[in-house]
Amino acid sequence: KNQVEQSPQSLIILEGKNCTLQCNYTVSPFSNLRWYKQDTGRGPVSLTIMTFSENTKSNGRYTATLDADTKQSSLHITASQLSDSASYICVVSVYNFNKFYFGSGTKLNVKP
Amino acid sequence: EPEVTQTPSHQVTQMGQEVILRCVPISNHLYFYWYRQILGQKVEFLVSFYNNEISEKSEIFDDQFSVERPDGSNFTLKIRSTKLEDSAMYFCASSEGVSGNTIYFGEGSWLTVV
Repeated sequence: KNQVEQSPQSLIILEGKNCTLQCNYTVSPFSNLRWYKQDTGRGPVSLTIMTFSENTKSNGRYTATLDADTKQSSLHITASQLSDSASYICVVSVYNFNKFYFGSGTKLNVKP
Repeated sequence: EPEVTQTPSHQVTQMGQEVILRCVPISNHLYFYWYRQILGQKVEFLVSFYNNEISEKSEIFDDQFSVERPDGSNFTLKIRSTKLEDSAMYFCASSEGVSGNTIYFGEGSWLTVV
């Protein structure tokens, strides 16, 4: 069964600290993995897209890693800011199909 | 930056009524999507649309749902006879292609069925 699991469900950190969010998937055949940021009540906004051959991709203070062998990805946020408070969603797509599987998200709360 | 726009932002409808949610995808995009997010739950894929036809749909997208691209700019989701459990945020999205292309989401249409 194609599934995407994220951990932790929620996380509270202090402003300026780093954090790492995890994503494990069983989606097959794998095409690509995306990380999105979703503010409450808003549409998801793309942070990174990683294909099978990519191990690491950065977007400013966001760095995503992918291990296609173990089917795991992480999103590392450096020097967190209050505006990073949001849900972070991992999305995996199936090769050759226009279909996407969403994780439940990690709700990040950055406190001053 | 170009964006996906959705209307209405919020609609309240009575159970059994038909609802049409509208979307204007980014102009040079070829792939269009509808997703749904029930309050407090994860985003769920409903349907993808390419070349004027459905390319993929999920189990959620049953006979009460339909999509249409009535002209060159709009992409609509119709729910024929709404049920209470259809209450959710509906997101439209579009992309230039599949695979490594970024999918851009609209701000959502919040549907409340009473």
